[in-house]
Amino acid sequence: QKEVEQDPGPLSVPEGAIVSLNCTYSNSAFQYFMWYRQYSRKGPELLMYTYSSGNKEDGRFTAQVDKSSKYISLFIRDSQPSDSATYLCAMSLDSSYKLIFGSGTRLLVRP
Amino acid sequence: SAVISQKPSRDICQRGTSLTIQCQVDSQVTMMFWYRQQPGQSLTLIATANQGSEATYESGFVIDKFPISRPNLTFSTLTVSNMSPEDSSIYLCSVEGQPKETQYFGPGTRLLVL
Repeated sequence: QKEVEQDPGPLSVPEGAIVSLNCTYSNSAFQYFMWYRQYSRKGPELLMYTYSSGNKEDGRFTAQVDKSSKYISLFIRDSQPSDSATYLCAMSLDSSYKLIFGSGTRLLVRP
Repeated sequence: SAVISQKPSRDICQRGTSLTIQCQVDSQVTMMFWYRQQPGQSLTLIATANQGSEATYESGFVIDKFPISRPNLTFSTLTVSNMSPEDSSIYLCSVEGQPKETQYFGPGTRLLVL
């Protein structure tokens, strides 16, 4: 079993839709949770960072962490074609710098 | 966030040869990291490079295959040695971010080994 599971997609939605992206994980000791966005032929770009459980909002993006269920989510409101990319979740145990990544979900927002 | 560049951006190499990938950061950083990203798979950490000390390799990666240099606080190289087609992948460098539990990534080097 992988430490972090993520549906590869692709997920295709119309412009303006609310998008929900999710990851599950097996190690209950993970403390730090991140979402990265990766455009084709580019490096991952940090989108959201959350410590422990709870919600965090930044513009159209909301990150949720449910440690009791070992489940994290990224919501994108009013999705735009420019949101079309691969979204990677990542997490770490502590400040040891070792990030464990999901395999990424491809998102396509249709105009 | 830090601006990170990598050279080359892509390359096609013959099996048995070696390729050195360069990573340059626009600010001084303590920790630099090298990852491999294979098609359809998650990013896998190869090693952590701390300036002034030997790189720390993850399970499954060895120094003879992936030697790393870290001569100063803004630069690092990763060499992929004695390449085989299985080494075809994207290689990414990253640096510690803000907050420090995060990382900023370079654009990656696409390697194809024939």
